[in-house]
Amino acid sequence: EIVLTQSPATLSLSPGERATLSCRASQSVSSFLGWYQQKPGQAPRLLIYDAYNRATGVPARFSGSGSGTDFTLTISSLEPEDFAVYYCQQRSKWPLTFGPGTRVDIK
Amino acid sequence: EVQVVDSGGGLVQPGGSLRLSCAASGFTFSSYAMGWVRQAPGKGLECISVISASGGSSFYADSVKGRFTISRDNSKNTVHLQMISLTAEDTAVYYCAKIRGIFDYFHYWGQGALVTVSS
Repeated sequence: EIVLTQSPATLSLSPGERATLSCRASQSVSSFLGWYQQKPGQAPRLLIYDAYNRATGVPARFSGSGSGTDFTLTISSLEPEDFAVYYCQQRSKWPLTFGPGTRVDIK
Repeated sequence: EVQVVDSGGGLVQPGGSLRLSCAASGFTFSSYAMGWVRQAPGKGLECISVISASGGSSFYADSVKGRFTISRDNSKNTVHLQMISLTAEDTAVYYCAKIRGIFDYFHYWGQGALVTVSS
């Protein structure tokens, strides 16, 4: 099973600041990594697929990068609605696995 | 507009069974794989099962293999998750989601169905 590790566990930032979230895979997943946003009481929402492709309707302030085992999700300037939990997910091998999440909260 | 609606959650006793359903609309259902992801209270996400567009292939997480069965009815645009031998560790919100291929990302999600296993 491919294990995904996310860091930091919590990121405390102010609106307008830049957020940088990391996801590391226990083995190479090529570019087969996605990112989700989840707000309390809601289902997750796909933001990024295959490392850097934005999903439909996702604002341009969200960007993804990386390949192999190291990936980054960047939010260029945090909006109030961006404070949430972010998960990475790999689709390279079954079982499809998610990281434990990074919580982005308001400083 | 793509819609995925989960149903069938509830309270069940340990060792009991439950069947979750998922109704999808707004896309050509028979062309897309579907999957179930669960989230225990206060925890992260776990993909537990996916089924191919035709229904001919399905995969399960080790945690549910042999106890859960995924199925689909392409004539009714529905997916089901039959769960047996439930334990407290199966308590979670279960989400049905649309995926492009069988090993892919979850593009559209249902609202979730809460399953509570407790005596």
